Amino acid sequence: NAGVTQTPKFQVLKTGQSMTLQCAQDMNHNSMYWYRQDPGMGLRLIYYSASEGTTDKGEVPNGYNVSRLNKREFSLRLESAAPSQTSVYFCASSDPDGRVMNTEAFFGQGTRLTVV
Amino acid sequence: AQSVTQPDIHITVSEGASLELRCNYSYGATPYLFWYVQSPGQGLQLLLKYFSGDTLVQGIKGFEAEFKRSQSSFNLRKPSVHWSDAAEYFCAGDSGGGADGLTFGKGTHLIIQP
Repeated sequence: NAGVTQTPKFQVLKTGQSMTLQCAQDMNHNSMYWYRQDPGMGLRLIYYSASEGTTDKGEVPNGYNVSRLNKREFSLRLESAAPSQTSVYFCASSDPDGRVMNTEAFFGQGTRLTVV
Repeated sequence: AQSVTQPDIHITVSEGASLELRCNYSYGATPYLFWYVQSPGQGLQLLLKYFSGDTLVQGIKGFEAEFKRSQSSFNLRKPSVHWSDAAEYFCAGDSGGGADGLTFGKGTHLIIQP
């Protein structure tokens, strides 16, 4: 059982380039999330998708777009990368359905992105 | 606005000593609370979670946490740390089981001295 899989694991971009971070989960979860992790800042929510077909902004959405391709996949796109987007990106999934036991989030291994 | 605060950026303890990592929350109602651990270069692993009921929660790897409503705290403890516990620890909150993501503290970096 793979859980949450992110690709790529590492990426270096030049300022202004675009790229898409891929995320897939095999737990049949309804909700998926993209976070970024910066030193001393913890994890901050970029976008989330409560269910297939919906997406919403999180705390730091500027400069990003997302696509919930299907129930399994949730991609994050940087249209024009900036050095301020150098970070570690984590995808997560959970299955909140009003039952408290299902709010646990499962995380991928992260994508380390450097924008030069 | 809801928030989670971890007052300690770094904590150093000797191997075999006890550990307490602090977490305070600010929510309108009692949130769901979590502790995650992140080893270097890895993703986050859930240690334990609190939703309601018994305020002392047991987790994996010998960790426990106590929810104290009067202090708005959810501190993580371990009676005797091992060198393998060196990692980054994150406290996180959820306002009520919804799908809008977790609010994380900024993390506490745990260093274990031999």
